[in-house]
Amino acid sequence: NAGVTQTPKFQVLKTGQSMTLQCAQDMNHEYMSWYRQDPGMGLRLIHYSVGAGITDQGEVPNGYNVSRSTTEDFPLRLLSAAPSQTSVYFCASSYVEGDSPLHFGNGTRLTVT
Amino acid sequence: AQTVTQSQPEMSVQEAETVTLSCTYDTSESDYYLFWYKQPPSRQMILVIRQEAYKQQNATENRFSVNFQKAAKSFSLKISDSQLGDAAMYFCAYGGNDMRFGAGTRLTVKP
Repeated sequence: NAGVTQTPKFQVLKTGQSMTLQCAQDMNHEYMSWYRQDPGMGLRLIHYSVGAGITDQGEVPNGYNVSRSTTEDFPLRLLSAAPSQTSVYFCASSYVEGDSPLHFGNGTRLTVT
Repeated sequence: AQTVTQSQPEMSVQEAETVTLSCTYDTSESDYYLFWYKQPPSRQMILVIRQEAYKQQNATENRFSVNFQKAAKSFSLKISDSQLGDAAMYFCAYGGNDMRFGAGTRLTVKP
């Protein structure tokens, strides 16, 4: 059982470049979300989805886009990377939002130079 | 939006002793869930314990227990008989459509 799979594990981008962080889960979870982790700030929610075709913004959505065309996949797109987006990114999923614990991917360390 | 506050950036405990990590939150809802997650150096996020707000009984998982004070909006984590493997970042989280996390407490366990 793979759980939540994130790719890549590491990425270095130059300012202005675009990229997509991939996230897939094989647990048939309806709820998926993206967080960024920065020192001293914990995990901050970027975007989340409560099912295929439905997405919503979290605390820090600016500079990021998401889509949810299938239950399994929830990619995060950086359209024009900025140094402020240097962070560790986590994808997570759960059965139902709120009352179910999140299952996390192993994270992606992104550096924007 | 709900906020979660962890006021202890760092804590230290001697092996085999007990330590308590603090967490407070702000919400206007009456029914909700609270979580503690552990993040060891491997960066993996691991669920430690979960508490349902409508349950008065404090949740317990082996050496981990919580002190849930709903009126005070407090949700502390007690680790008993601390082990070297407990060393990690600990995050308190409030469950909802947009789960919110505290800033974390780094726990060091001294042999």
